[in-house]
Amino acid sequence: AQKITQTQPGMFVQEKEAVTLDCTYDTSDQSYGLFWYKQPSSGEMIFLIYQGSYDEQNATEGRYSLNFQKARKSANLVISASQLGDSAMYFCAMREGHSSASKIIFGSGTRLSIRP
Amino acid sequence: GAVVSQHPSRVICKSGTSVKIECRSLDFQATTMFWYRQFPKKSLMLMATSNEGSKATYEQGVEKDKFLINHASLTLSTLTVTSAHPEDSSFYICSARPDGALRSPLHFGNGTRLTVT
Repeated sequence: AQKITQTQPGMFVQEKEAVTLDCTYDTSDQSYGLFWYKQPSSGEMIFLIYQGSYDEQNATEGRYSLNFQKARKSANLVISASQLGDSAMYFCAMREGHSSASKIIFGSGTRLSIRP
Repeated sequence: GAVVSQHPSRVICKSGTSVKIECRSLDFQATTMFWYRQFPKKSLMLMATSNEGSKATYEQGVEKDKFLINHASLTLSTLTVTSAHPEDSSFYICSARPDGALRSPLHFGNGTRLTVT
């Protein structure tokens, strides 16, 4: 069963606009973590933001914020004031459980393209 | 910050040969490391969990005899693609998290692009 679902294979956004990348997840664990990564064409994986299942506040990191809707099992990434350098693949990921050995699985990704 | 070094970044080999990929955590200890495979324009697929001092845990459908994993120390895991064939051509990427740092993200190496001719 698909555990992480990203329904937007590709998105085009005008520079300086905000963009929301969707992510829903499925787990029966009470303790889990949600991550967003950016992968530019160079292939490196860049960590953006983390949300723990028990965190009461939505995570924010600079221009990135995570809209965590626990009851709906969604963890959308919001990028404010988009920049040309934001063009990349974006992956939502989930860690189930609370062990440092807990694996992290990834969604199918969203390719974001920023238009000048 | 936590750095993961992966070598080589690119390798071309002939069919039937074996290729070893190294993954090192440079400034932290990692009892557990993770190996992923990524096809072009696709997501990262977890292949196996590498455990220091014990056998790796392979995901369903991943051949353990084809993809040998050795986690010899708290900072080094290796993936050996044995008897490589063209269908093994892919982007392999390792990752690790500092021991005990549950909220820490996985830190990724820069990946190895394997081409089997």
